[in-house]
Amino acid sequence: GENVEQHPSTLSVQEGDSAVIKCTYSDSASNYFPWYKQELGKGPQLIIDIRSNVGEKKDQRIAVTLNKTAKHFSLHITETQPEDSAVYFCAASWGGSYIPTFGRGTSLIVHP
Amino acid sequence: GAVVSQHPSRVICKSGTSVKIECRSLDFQATTMFWYRQFPKQSLMLMATSNEGSKATYEQGVEKDKFLINHASLTLSTLTVTSAHPEDSSFYICSARGEQHLNTEAFFGQGTRLTVV
Repeated sequence: GENVEQHPSTLSVQEGDSAVIKCTYSDSASNYFPWYKQELGKGPQLIIDIRSNVGEKKDQRIAVTLNKTAKHFSLHITETQPEDSAVYFCAASWGGSYIPTFGRGTSLIVHP
Repeated sequence: GAVVSQHPSRVICKSGTSVKIECRSLDFQATTMFWYRQFPKQSLMLMATSNEGSKATYEQGVEKDKFLINHASLTLSTLTVTSAHPEDSSFYICSARGEQHLNTEAFFGQGTRLTVV
């Protein structure tokens, strides 16, 4: 089955800095890669996703890159704000069945 | 659109009792619902997948007799934790998708914090 590794487990940055979270996956058949933000006591919320036919996608301050050859994808958050503080999860799935395998999560702390 | 609501958000129950958690799709018909369990500071662990009108498919290691899942309608799935024990205390999250959502993300509920005392 699919295995998703996520790093780092904790990331502490100053407000205004950039944050990068990296994930690798094992199943070359995976073709859908969503990123979720989970605030304390809440369910995950999709913030951005990318499919295997695209190398990069951007939405305002967040962007995701995908390297299919190396089987890794990354989340980039620029100009971080305290409200970006949360746990971020990457996931990988085969789009037809969509049962995602999640990474272990990254706790992002943005210091004001 | 694509709102999924869970109820209750928090529940405390005594050891040995059963607890039911509801997951509703508010603005779409959920042909498939997923139930996850999340331990503190850990990732989401898929427990089971349920399709409307059929039996749930449980992941390996998940006791189907303990975690009863019912997906009787296109907008409601329930997870019943039977004879709950303190080790069942966890954060339970559902997600759902409809036919129009195939090949895209599933939508998550806000989660239910279960504490068994």
